[in-house]
Formats: sequence, structure tokens, C-alpha cells
Amino acid sequence: ETGVTQTPRHLVMGMTNKKSLKCEQHLGHNAMYWYKQSAKKPLELMFVYNFKEQTENNSVPSRFSPECPNSSHLFLHLHTLQPEDSALYLCASSQEEGGEQFFGPGTRLTVL
Amino acid sequence: GENVEQHPSTLSVQEGDSAVIKCTYSDSASNYFPWYKQELGKGPQLIIDIRSNVGEKKDQRIAVTLNKTAKHFSLHITETQPEDSAVYFCAASRAGGTSYGKLTFGQGTILTVHP
Repeated sequence: ETGVTQTPRHLVMGMTNKKSLKCEQHLGHNAMYWYKQSAKKPLELMFVYNFKEQTENNSVPSRFSPECPNSSHLFLHLHTLQPEDSALYLCASSQEEGGEQFFGPGTRLTVL
Repeated sequence: GENVEQHPSTLSVQEGDSAVIKCTYSDSASNYFPWYKQELGKGPQLIIDIRSNVGEKKDQRIAVTLNKTAKHFSLHITETQPEDSAVYFCAASRAGGTSYGKLTFGQGTILTVHP
């Protein structure tokens, strides 16, 4: 148990749907991250939040919209996705100064 | 920005053998190098890390070495067991101070340990 939970674990959606991914960390960390993991590619950093403020948007399309209401919760709102957005979406958290990140189990997203 | 290259992409060994995975990085300012293990259906889990002020670190059957001059670091697993089978990722970042440690990952190595 890493202390980082993600829901749902699996999600299938059509290109016109709107859905949200949720991440919660119970570690008292101040930074939270969204990563995309596609087959045969390195983990791609999408967004970073530090003390609820977005500090990194790694050229992510606007059809992905993050939200961080507090240091323990992170959301990724999805709308009008494309089939190539199908991937495993991982959430992670870390202490403000550290490089040690703790990952959640991920949400397996399939866009039809 | 940082670029991390990882080799090999797949590695198959017999139980009891050693396994070595190598990574190179481009940013000489990187000072934190974690290794993650990802099992099927799970997120990556940190297994060992090393900072640039040391050259080697061991934790039971796992060790990591760092060569700052050559900008490469390696993961060594001895006496491999079938439960070591997983995808392993190296990463690099500048940690400390006001940085929150943005990790740049390698492409991953699929390790298979045959009984």
C-alpha cells in the first residue's frame, strides 16, 4: 500500500463523454503529479501541483483539465478525448523538496 | 531538458543469476537517481535511489552504482528470483532546495526471471 489511491481503476469512454479521474494521497505530501504511461514509451509528466498551485503543464492538450482543491486531492477532468489518449494515467505525490515520488496504482483509460 | 536513456529494453535471466540495467543521463546538474519497479496492474514502486554524493548504494540483493563523470548509473540485482520479474524504470532529477524533484524517466526494462 503506497498511500496513494486512484479511482476508478478502469474507465472506458467515448470521444464525446466527460469523465474525471481522482487521486488521493494520505502521506501528508505537498506536491502531486499526473503522468501518462503509454505502451513502449517513458512515463510522460503531464501536470505538477505544489501546495495546490499548478507549477507545470507539460504541453498537455486542453481536453485534459487538472484540478487540485487541496494538497491531498487531485483530479483530472477529461472531455472530447481521442483514441490515442488511451493509456494508464498515474498519480504521484512527494514532499516539496524531495525527488522521491510515491505512485498510485493508476487508471487504465480506454477511449473508443 | 534532461534526457534519460535506458538499456536493455528486455532482459531474460535464469533464477539465481544476476541482472544489470544501465541508464545514461544528459543533464550534469541532475543529482537524484531513483529506480522504480512496476508489477503488472500496479503503479511504479521505488526500490532504491542514489544521490550524487555517493558512488554506490546497496540494499540486500539490490545495488545501484553511479558514475557522475560518465553520467551513467546502473541497477544490479543479484540472486534473482521469479518475483523480481517486472518492468524497471530509472529516473533522474535535480532534487533539493526549492525543487520538488521533477523526474525524467527512462523507457523501462522488462525483466523476466525464469525458474
